Amino acid sequence: AQSVSQHNHHVILSEAASLELGCNYSYGGTVNLFWYVQYPGQHLQLLLKYFSGDPLVKGIKGFEAEFIKSKFSFNLRKPSVQWSDTAEYFCAVNVRYGGATNKLIFGTGTLLAVQP
Amino acid sequence: EAQVTQNPRYLITVTGKKLTVTCSQNMNHEYMSWYRQDPGLGLRQIYYSMNVEVTDKGDVPEGYKVSRKEKRNFPLILESPSPNQTSLYFCASSLIQGGGRIFGQGTRLTVV
Repeated sequence: AQSVSQHNHHVILSEAASLELGCNYSYGGTVNLFWYVQYPGQHLQLLLKYFSGDPLVKGIKGFEAEFIKSKFSFNLRKPSVQWSDTAEYFCAVNVRYGGATNKLIFGTGTLLAVQP
Repeated sequence: EAQVTQNPRYLITVTGKKLTVTCSQNMNHEYMSWYRQDPGLGLRQIYYSMNVEVTDKGDVPEGYKVSRKEKRNFPLILESPSPNQTSLYFCASSLIQGGGRIFGQGTRLTVV
C-alpha cells in the first residue's frame, strides 16, 4: 500500500540553525509532492509543491525541497530557521492510479519547535 | 478572497445525534475532499468528490456520508456520531485532482 514516512516526529532547533526534515514515500508510479505547514491552531497551508521539472523547488518563507526519485524522497530544507517557523510540517504525496483517480496521502507530521 | 469555508469551527455533541459540517469554496474547484486529523496519525482522507454528483470513499469512510449537489458545497454528514469520531476535520479543494489542496480552517468536533 502507498505510504508516506516522516522520520522526525519532533525537532527542536535554535534560531538561525539549518533545518532538514525527511520525507520518504512508497509508490512506484506518477506522484506529485507537497509540503504543508500548520501553525498552532490554524489550518494547513501549502509551503511548496513538485509536479515535474527541476527537482529542487523553492517555496514560501525561504523553504525549499529536493525530489530525489531514486530514493523516493522529498526532503524539506531551510538554511536558517526563525522562531516564527515553529509549527507542524506535513509531507504529502498525490498518487495517480486507475487512470483518473488521485489520492493525497499525508505523512504523520513533524513538530518543529524553534527556540529564540 | 479565494477560500474554503467550514462551519461550525467548534462543535460538541452527544452520541447518536445527527450532525452536518458544511464546506463551501469560492474558486470553482472541481475536486473537494474531507480529512480528519488525529494526533500521531496525520491527516486521513474520509471522502472525496471529483465533481458534482461524483463522490468516492477515502481511507476512513465508516460512519460518514457526503453529498455534492452543487460544485461549491461538499457537506460532511455524521448520521449517528460516536466518541471515536472526536477529531479535527478539514475540508479541502483543488482545481485539479492532483493539485495542491486549499484547506478550510477546520472543525473541531467532540462527541460525548
